[in-house]
Amino acid sequence: GEDVEQSLFLSVREGDSSVINCTYTDSSSTYLYWYKQEPGAGLQLLTYIFSNMDMKQDQRLTVLLNKKDKHLSLRIADTQTGDSAIYFCAESPRGGAGNMLTFGGGTRLMVKP
Amino acid sequence: EPEVTQTPSHQVTQMGQEVILRCVPISNHLYFYWYRQILGQKVEFLVSFYNNEISEKSEIFDDQFSVERPDGSNFTLKIRSTKLEDSAMYFCASSNRGPSTNEKLFFGSGTQLSVL
Repeated sequence: GEDVEQSLFLSVREGDSSVINCTYTDSSSTYLYWYKQEPGAGLQLLTYIFSNMDMKQDQRLTVLLNKKDKHLSLRIADTQTGDSAIYFCAESPRGGAGNMLTFGGGTRLMVKP
Repeated sequence: EPEVTQTPSHQVTQMGQEVILRCVPISNHLYFYWYRQILGQKVEFLVSFYNNEISEKSEIFDDQFSVERPDGSNFTLKIRSTKLEDSAMYFCASSNRGPSTNEKLFFGSGTQLSVL
């Protein structure tokens, strides 16, 4: 079955860039997503990328997709303490908002002042 | 911003008991979902629901599980006879348009179910 993997933990200093990486196995993935979960809150969709794109930029967020290597990354520029959260990578083989998303285990980002 | 609300935030139950987890999706949304996350594991899809019927379900969603939209606002997940392994955080989600449109999916903050 499909699998999505992420590193567990990332620690950065405030103002630095953060890069969270994700690998997936399903070559038919159509959409790939990044969700953010703050303590006590639900999963918030940050951004997504369609599989025919290499890069997508949205303010401080840059998503890079290497479809050949099945590697997705999320770069957060000028990381702030408010960015501390768990970041989940997810993929949807048939596209769309929530049709059987497969999630990674989440990367806990800690931003030190 | 509108939000999906889930109640209760934490539910404790005895093994074998029935439990109902409640969700109020965003009011104009038509597509509803349940996901769960067992402690230390990944978020897993359970079921999607549209037009008063299940659209898709995963292998996890066996006969012990059922979903219902009893009125115009609530969306519930029922577990008939809870097992220890049902202990998890259960997330409800909703969207305005269907899966093929990549419509933004809104998640609730979850109900932590503890089965003793």
